[in-house]
Amino acid sequence: TQLLEQSPQFLSIQEGENLTVYCNSSSVFSSLQWYRQEPGEGPVLLVTVVTGGEVKKLKRLTFQFGDARKDSSLHITAAQPGDTGLYLCAGSNAGKSTFGDGTTLTVKP
Amino acid sequence: DTAVSQTPKYLVTQMGNDKSIKCEQNLGHDTMYWYKQDSKKFLKIMFSYNNKELIINETVPNRFSPKSPDKAHLNLHINSLELGDSAVYFCASSQALIRAGSGYGYTFGSGTRLTVV
Repeated sequence: TQLLEQSPQFLSIQEGENLTVYCNSSSVFSSLQWYRQEPGEGPVLLVTVVTGGEVKKLKRLTFQFGDARKDSSLHITAAQPGDTGLYLCAGSNAGKSTFGDGTTLTVKP
Repeated sequence: DTAVSQTPKYLVTQMGNDKSIKCEQNLGHDTMYWYKQDSKKFLKIMFSYNNKELIINETVPNRFSPKSPDKAHLNLHINSLELGDSAVYFCASSQALIRAGSGYGYTFGSGTRLTVV
């Protein structure tokens, strides 16, 4: 079984602070996705990374795929209340994805 | 115009009943999925279909039966509902199977919260 562990599980910060969420596994993935889920809704895809060492930026969000394709990080600069939600990473192999256990982020105004 | 729509949004039913959840996607995607999210927000794949063909069938009780009449629809029928089936069920689609280097991700529906009493 391919497991993905996210840390921290819960994060509560003030508006304007920076934060990093980690997604770690002992398995190698061919690609990795990050999603954000808000209450009562389905996860929304933020980014997909496919190459070891790849870095992608989405406005204030920076995503990195580890060189060995076993881990990833999500860095948010100057967090805003609108960033509040459940962040999920998902590693994919052979047409199947395994989701991490999630990081619940709360950004207080 | 909703990309992946599933109905109903909420479903409350008694143990032993049979119920169905419907899902439709208008993205032209080839692959559709059913995921179950438990009370701890953990998402686990149940089934995936690629062009109406069953590709993934995880360890799910036989009481759960997916049906894909065409590649835009994937329905989930559940027989003899049990208390432990209570969860949020998500339908999702992707352009194709998420294979190496494809760069694909999932588009999820807004979920069906099933409560078995």
